[in-house]
Amino acid sequence: QQPVQSPQAVILREGEDAVINCSSSKALYSVHWYRQKHGEAPVFLMILLKGGEQKGHDKISASFNEKKQQSSLYLTASQLSYSGTYFCGTDQGAQKLVFGQGTRLTINP
Amino acid sequence: NAGVMQNPRHLVRRRGQEARLRCSPMKGHSHVYWYRQLPEEGLKFMVYLQKENIIDESGMPKERFSAEFPKEGPSILRIQQVVRGDSAAYFCASSPVNNEQFFGPGTRLTVL
Repeated sequence: QQPVQSPQAVILREGEDAVINCSSSKALYSVHWYRQKHGEAPVFLMILLKGGEQKGHDKISASFNEKKQQSSLYLTASQLSYSGTYFCGTDQGAQKLVFGQGTRLTINP
Repeated sequence: NAGVMQNPRHLVRRRGQEARLRCSPMKGHSHVYWYRQLPEEGLKFMVYLQKENIIDESGMPKERFSAEFPKEGPSILRIQQVVRGDSAAYFCASSPVNNEQFFGPGTRLTVL
């Protein structure tokens, strides 16, 4: 079943923070986060394998609450290059990813 | 280490023709996944393959679509007798084990 992402879209000024949520009605083995710019391929950001795991690099981090079947992506001090559509991909145990509908992030100067 | 390669990048077909999309996974990757993306929509899983085996094809239409990943050479997604509704971007991803997936640049199929 397709996970639900929220919000669907967000507009920020450069330097502001954002949180993108991904919620599933099915148990999750892992959550994968990707960013896609218009007309380009999705770019892998990070994978969270364990419940409660938090990962991060640079100013982008994520958490995974296995019990609640939720993951959140945190973008701090956003940069113009962060603009794009963010997708969470969930592994529901069938060794394939089921992606959310995406969250469109626009960063303005 | 070259990334995932797909060709052609753009493909135009008339209704009824066949489309062949190729994907060469990253070196050392034995798992290949195909996804379809319609404009302004998310990625929809189609098929998961390992060398010479189809592991999961639950997302692939039963008719006209087929996929293979032979022992030698790229993975092929084949669409026979294309229709306008097949127009989409088709992405291939590869992974070394069942872990993070790295996407290729995609093939944009347009059916006239």
